[in-house]
Amino acid sequence: QKEVEQDPGPLSVPEGAIVSLNCTYSNSAFQYFMWYRQYSRKGPELLMYTYSSGNKEDGRFTAQVDKSSKYISLFIRDSQPSDSATYLCAMEYGNKLVFGAGTILRVKS
Amino acid sequence: DVKVTQSSRYLVKRTGEKVFLECVQDMDHENMFWYRQDPGLGLRLIYFSYDVKMKEKGDIPEGYSVSREKKERFSLILESASTNQTSMYLCATLERQRGEKLFFGSGTQLSVL
Repeated sequence: QKEVEQDPGPLSVPEGAIVSLNCTYSNSAFQYFMWYRQYSRKGPELLMYTYSSGNKEDGRFTAQVDKSSKYISLFIRDSQPSDSATYLCAMEYGNKLVFGAGTILRVKS
Repeated sequence: DVKVTQSSRYLVKRTGEKVFLECVQDMDHENMFWYRQDPGLGLRLIYFSYDVKMKEKGDIPEGYSVSREKKERFSLILESASTNQTSMYLCATLERQRGEKLFFGSGTQLSVL
């Protein structure tokens, strides 16, 4: 079993939709949770960084962590074609960082 | 803005060749990393370095080595390239400020024929 599971998609939504991206994990030691966005032919860039359970909001993006369920989510409101990318979750404890495989998101205009 | 530059976007090499992938950063970060990215497998850590001339094995170091002679430069070496090393290679640096943030280069797509 992988430490971090992420549905690869692709997830295809119309412009303006609310997008929900999710990851589950098995190791309760993970303390820090991140979402990276990767555009085609580019390296990943950090989008959201959270430490504890609960919600963190940044513009149209909301990161949610539920440690009791070992489940994290990224919500994108009013999705735009420019949000089309691969979204990778990542989790860390100590010096160990583990990435999910990434979900491909396509927002159609 | 942090800049992480990988010298090649695309490389095609033959089996058995020695391959050098170069990475340069301009932010004086101590920690540098090499990942490979494969469909369905995500990012896997090959090697990392926390200081000049220091290196540590990641999760999949077999078939690779690294060199860090200067703080800004971190090289990944494939001693004898094999077809199963065809992949996207990503270099990253780490900033520790209100959490840890990885900055990635644009990647090198390596094909080994």
